Amino acid sequence: EIVMTQSPATLSVSPGERVTLSCRASQSVSSNLAWYQQKPGQAPRLLIYGASTRATGVPARFSGSGSGTEFTLTISSLQSEDFAIYYCQQYNNWLRTFGQGTKVEIK
Amino acid sequence: EVQLVESGGGLVQPGGSQRLSCAASGFTFSSYAMSWVRQAPGEGLEWVSTFTISGGSTYYADSVKGRFTISRDRSKNTLYLQMNSLRAEDTAVYYCAKGMDGIGWYFDYWGQGTRVTVSS
Repeated sequence: EIVMTQSPATLSVSPGERVTLSCRASQSVSSNLAWYQQKPGQAPRLLIYGASTRATGVPARFSGSGSGTEFTLTISSLQSEDFAIYYCQQYNNWLRTFGQGTKVEIK
Repeated sequence: EVQLVESGGGLVQPGGSQRLSCAASGFTFSSYAMSWVRQAPGEGLEWVSTFTISGGSTYYADSVKGRFTISRDRSKNTLYLQMNSLRAEDTAVYYCAKGMDGIGWYFDYWGQGTRVTVSS
C-alpha cells in the first residue's frame, strides 16, 4: 500500500495569504495524484487531477505541482470560502489511498 | 446536472448486514466507473471499492475484501454496496463517487453520503 503523508496537519492563515500544502508518497506515483477540498458537513470536491490539472469550475488561484513522491497544492490568495480540509489521493495502482488531510483554518 | 443520492444507512449490529444504494442521474451511468469512499467519524477519507466499465471489473480495499460486494444496475442507474459481517470499524459516512472515466482512478462528483453505525 502506498502511504500518503500530508503536511502540515493544520495551517493557520489570514485571508489573502498564499498557502502551500504538501503531500508525500511512500513510493513514486508518477503524476497520478488528485487533490480534494472538504468543508464541514459536505462531500469532498475534486480540485486537481494529474497532479496539476484543475477540475472543471475550480478557480485559477488553485494550482498543483509535483511528480514522483513530492506534490504541492498552492492557493495563491486565500479566500474566505477556502477554509477547509484538503486531501491528496494517489491512483498509481488499484489500491487508491488518501492522505490524512491538511486543515486550513482562519488565523 | 450530475446527482448522486445515497440511501440505506443506519444502525446495524456487529456481524450484521446492510445494503447501500446510490441513485445516479445527469450523466450516462453505463459509461463511467463508480466507487464507494468512506469517512469514519472525525477521520480522513478511505477508498472502499470501485466498479469499472471494463468487463465489470470490481476492486476492493483490503479492509473490506470478502465482506463487501459492489454492484450496479444499469436499468435503474443505481450503484450498490452490500456489506456483510459488519464490524465497529466499518462505522462511517459512505460516499458514492463518480469516476471521470471508465476506470475511475479519481472522483469528480460525490453524493452527500449515508451514515452507517455498527454498534450493539
